[in-house]
Amino acid sequence: AQSVTQLDSQVPVFEEAPVELRCNYSSSVSVYLFWYVQYPNQGLQLLLKYLSGSTLVKGINGFEAEFNKSQTSFHLRKPSVHISDTAEYFCAPTPGGSQGNLIFGKGTKLSVKP
Amino acid sequence: GAVVSQHPSRVICKSGTSVKIECRSLDFQATTMFWYRQFPKQSLMLMATSNEGSKATYEQGVEKDKFLINHASLTLSTLTVTSAHPEDSSFYICSARGRITEAFFGQGTRLTVV
Repeated sequence: AQSVTQLDSQVPVFEEAPVELRCNYSSSVSVYLFWYVQYPNQGLQLLLKYLSGSTLVKGINGFEAEFNKSQTSFHLRKPSVHISDTAEYFCAPTPGGSQGNLIFGKGTKLSVKP
Repeated sequence: GAVVSQHPSRVICKSGTSVKIECRSLDFQATTMFWYRQFPKQSLMLMATSNEGSKATYEQGVEKDKFLINHASLTLSTLTVTSAHPEDSSFYICSARGRITEAFFGQGTRLTVV
């Protein structure tokens, strides 16, 4: 069985500040890891993914995440946020190598203030 | 990335009527489609998984007679909310996965039952 924990339900930051959204997972098998973003009243858009290889993954909109196997974490970072980054962010692992379901964290609401 | 089209984006219906939501993969063959329900300010709850040509697999607690899922082709899945009641009001999101690792999401459907 696997689970995912997003440690912060809300993260308020000022524009141009750096941000880190935390995600920890537990799994008895290897996993693929994803971060999705959801803007109000919309579906989910893939930000980035880790399948294998380099543990530092770069995604769209200037986001990146680092897979840390020993800490079972996949934290999302951005060095300088914009107002337009205000959204809900979901971390989602899925069993590696299979067509398994995505298991979503509870989400982190990122609020960027001017 | 691949495109998943979900229709309608918003629907208001009277209590007791049925509503059909469509989910189409526009540029890839979706061997598996997922239907989620999202309550306000909460994460996505997986309702069911459907593979093309097979009966959907429902998650525990989801009424299969209430939420009818059809996945008759590799590009189309439908969710029908039968005899809708106000408590069925929610945001419904589909996602589709083909031979690629990540799932692509529709834009969601806001259902309001009055």
